Amino acid sequence: DIVMTQTPLSLSVTPGQPASISCKSSQSLLHSDGKTYLYWYLQKPGQSPQLLIYEVSNRFSGVPDRFSGSGSGTDFTLKISRVEAEDVGVYYCMQSIQLPYTFGQGTKLEIK
Amino acid sequence: QVQLVQSGAEVKKPGASVKVSCKASGYTFTSYGISWVRQAPGQGLEWMGWISAYNGNTNYAQKLQGRVTMTTDTSTSTAYMELRSLRSDDTAVYYCARANRQSGSYRRFDYWGQGTLVTVSS
Repeated sequence: DIVMTQTPLSLSVTPGQPASISCKSSQSLLHSDGKTYLYWYLQKPGQSPQLLIYEVSNRFSGVPDRFSGSGSGTDFTLKISRVEAEDVGVYYCMQSIQLPYTFGQGTKLEIK
Repeated sequence: QVQLVQSGAEVKKPGASVKVSCKASGYTFTSYGISWVRQAPGQGLEWMGWISAYNGNTNYAQKLQGRVTMTTDTSTSTAYMELRSLRSDDTAVYYCARANRQSGSYRRFDYWGQGTLVTVSS
């Protein structure tokens, strides 16, 4: 199985400051179709996960542009340019290039 | 708007079975798949498998093979996930998610249900 490793596991950020989460996969997530199957989800407290970023760097419908994704191969990053109070929750990366699909352990973001 | 509405919480005894439903609306059901993901209390997310709402093809996580069955009813736009021989470590919130097909598999989960808590306890 592909192992997804997120760092840090938690971070505390002052509103208006940036935040960054790293996700590393044990194998390349680049498919022969040219796409890289790496996703970012946010699970707000008491809610279901919601899709933020698909295929590394594409913001899903309605996701604010302060969220951005980057990376390639096995190393990926989610950045929040200016954290807001509504961004609290647990962020997960997920790979779907190979079965079984696997998630990172999650990174808990809290506001200072 | 796309909505996935799941059935209510369940309490089951070890060895029993549970069947969770996920009713879809706001899109053409057969143009997507449904994936199931579970989350044990205080833990992360675990992918369980997916089903094509188009032709019923399935793909299950190997650790659940033989205990899980995913089905759909296209007449009601509803997906089902049945888990048998329940154990205490199956206690979790079970989520369904709409899945987009790409390169022969269902890879992108864009809309999620509200979750169904399944508690396995004697």
